[in-house]
Amino acid sequence: QKEVEQDPGPLSVPEGAIVSLNCTYSNSAFQYFMWYRQYSRKGPELLMYTYSSGNKEDGRFTAQVDKSSKYISLFIRDSQPSDSATYLCASVTGGFKTIFGAGTRLFVKA
Amino acid sequence: GAVVSQHPSRVICKSGTSVKIECRSLDFQATTMFWYRQFPKQSLMLMATSNEGSKATYEQGVEKDKFLINHASLTLSTLTVTSAHPEDSSFYICSARVNSGGAMGTGETQYFGPGTRLLVL
Repeated sequence: QKEVEQDPGPLSVPEGAIVSLNCTYSNSAFQYFMWYRQYSRKGPELLMYTYSSGNKEDGRFTAQVDKSSKYISLFIRDSQPSDSATYLCASVTGGFKTIFGAGTRLFVKA
Repeated sequence: GAVVSQHPSRVICKSGTSVKIECRSLDFQATTMFWYRQFPKQSLMLMATSNEGSKATYEQGVEKDKFLINHASLTLSTLTVTSAHPEDSSFYICSARVNSGGAMGTGETQYFGPGTRLLVL
């Protein structure tokens, strides 16, 4: 079992839709969670980070962590074609090692 | 935000040659940098952790004699792929951890370079 599981997709949605991206993790020692966006042939770009259960909002993006169920989510409101990318969730272990999910490919159709 | 650059962005080389990739933190000091490899449609695979002034720590299965890492300063780490072969063709990405004095918050945030696409013929 991978430490961070993420459905690779692809996920295709119409412009304006609400997108829900999800990951599960197995190690209860994970304390710190991030979402990265990666455009094709580019390095990942940090979108959001959080270290506690609950929601964190930044513009059209909301990150949600539920430590009791080891579930992390990223919601994108009013999705745009420019949001089309691969979204990577990541968790940091107590030893400060970052574990990445496989990434979910998102396509937002105009 | 923190900016990390990589050079070159793309390189094509013949089998058996060595290739050096540079990773620089442009507006901050990074005591720790990471090197990842990413194959098409796959996630990032950590190759090694590079600490300024000390030897790199390699992940299991990564040949340290083949992938030489040097972190000579707080803003520069290099990865040299020695005697490259076609199976080494991949997307190599570095990242730098912001040195925030050890706080668990932003201290564990990594900023990634744009990546280097290596093609070995």
